[in-house]
Amino acid sequence: DTAVSQTPKYLVTQMGNDKSIKCEQNLGHDTMYWYKQDSKKFLKIMFSYNNKELIINETVPNRFSPKSPDKAHLNLHINSLELGDSAVYFCASSLTGRVDQETQYFGPGTRLLVL
Amino acid sequence: AQSVTQLDSHVSVSEGTPVLLRCNYSSSYSPSLFWYVQHPNKGLQLLLKYTSAATLVKGINGFEAEFKKSETSFHLTKPSAHMSDAAEYFCVVSVNFNKFYFGSGTKLNVKP
Repeated sequence: DTAVSQTPKYLVTQMGNDKSIKCEQNLGHDTMYWYKQDSKKFLKIMFSYNNKELIINETVPNRFSPKSPDKAHLNLHINSLELGDSAVYFCASSLTGRVDQETQYFGPGTRLLVL
Repeated sequence: AQSVTQLDSHVSVSEGTPVLLRCNYSSSYSPSLFWYVQHPNKGLQLLLKYTSAATLVKGINGFEAEFKKSETSFHLTKPSAHMSDAAEYFCVVSVNFNKFYFGSGTKLNVKP
């Protein structure tokens, strides 16, 4: 069983479109995260949710909006896609959100290419 | 201010030789430190973590790291590299329950 899954795995789209990436975890964790990894492999935390409540909200354009319908799901919606949004987006989860203690479990990533 | 520096962006070793991936941190507080590995086209996986217990931490796949407060370092080592160790490695520092910082990554190449 996949612990943290993301769909789609690949996403190719045109500039200006709106797209969503879905994430689900079956680990029973309370906290979920979204990361962006650029072409140089640099990882940037974007958001985290604990039991459907927004905890970490780093400086990202407001075109990015996370949505957590329940604690097992954290989706990422991106409006008006730009070329610079091309990256790999990773979802992760951890038990309670204590990032100084807990392991984060990562999904396989969604490779977004904006043309 | 808190930060983490991975001193080498690329490391190349021969199979069967030791691996050393370097990580230095700066923190005003006692940090927790993690090493994650990312194999090509995969998500990240925890190798090991230090959270204020024993300073020598053993992880999966024969990796270990030693927390040295005097040197503000948490270098990752393995006695003998295997081809399957070729991957990107990330050092992470955390200073409180919801703040953490990823290093820029070190790509490990293992030559046959």
